[in-house]
Amino acid sequence: DGGITQSPKYLFRKEGQNVTLSCEQNLNHDAMYWYRQDPGQGLRLIYYSQIVNDFQKGDIAEGYSVSREKKESFPLTVTSAQKNPTAFYLCASSIGARGLAGAYEQYFGPGTRLTVT
Amino acid sequence: GENVEQHPSTLSVQEGDSAVIKCTYSDSASNYFPWYKQELGKRPQLIIDIRSNVGEKKDQRIAVTLNKTAKHFSLHITETQPEDSAVYFCAAYSGGGADGLTFGKGTHLIIQP
Repeated sequence: DGGITQSPKYLFRKEGQNVTLSCEQNLNHDAMYWYRQDPGQGLRLIYYSQIVNDFQKGDIAEGYSVSREKKESFPLTVTSAQKNPTAFYLCASSIGARGLAGAYEQYFGPGTRLTVT
Repeated sequence: GENVEQHPSTLSVQEGDSAVIKCTYSDSASNYFPWYKQELGKRPQLIIDIRSNVGEKKDQRIAVTLNKTAKHFSLHITETQPEDSAVYFCAAYSGGGADGLTFGKGTHLIIQP
């Protein structure tokens, strides 16, 4: 079954703890993205990676870190420095970051709902 | 960076009527405009997209129009059905700076039976 997966679906953590969210894809996509979604808000870009061993900050990268050691995997760590970590986190992937006609379609994973108390 | 405004935030229509959701964007370099549908607790799914070299695109009951001069684009759903009820997001891609999409805040579409 091809696609993009995220685990776990729900995650609970105490304040002050770092937590890592998993994102895996078997679509052979080069580009991967992390977005955050808050109630009543659109999705906001945290980090993105166009290729293995390379990643860039998005609009709200503070308090987050990522790695891209393998093409299939793009884990996101929510650190204790993130002031409001409770949110729905969505990972996405696309064939590449951009082509001649602009961006490629992004496919989303099912999301991880993180609650920090 | 890019800024996307979406209206209305909530839209209620009678089943069978049409629904229109509008978005404006700020970066004239933006060249790709997807629309996503998100049901409660689920992942966003692409329903239609348009690139800056065309003005309109249709797929059965769904259409998107783009006005580059005015920097706005709209989603049109005709003959609405109960399964159209969801939150719809527009997005824009400019390619400058961050390579991800910039999303609007979403429209909650409610189809009244």
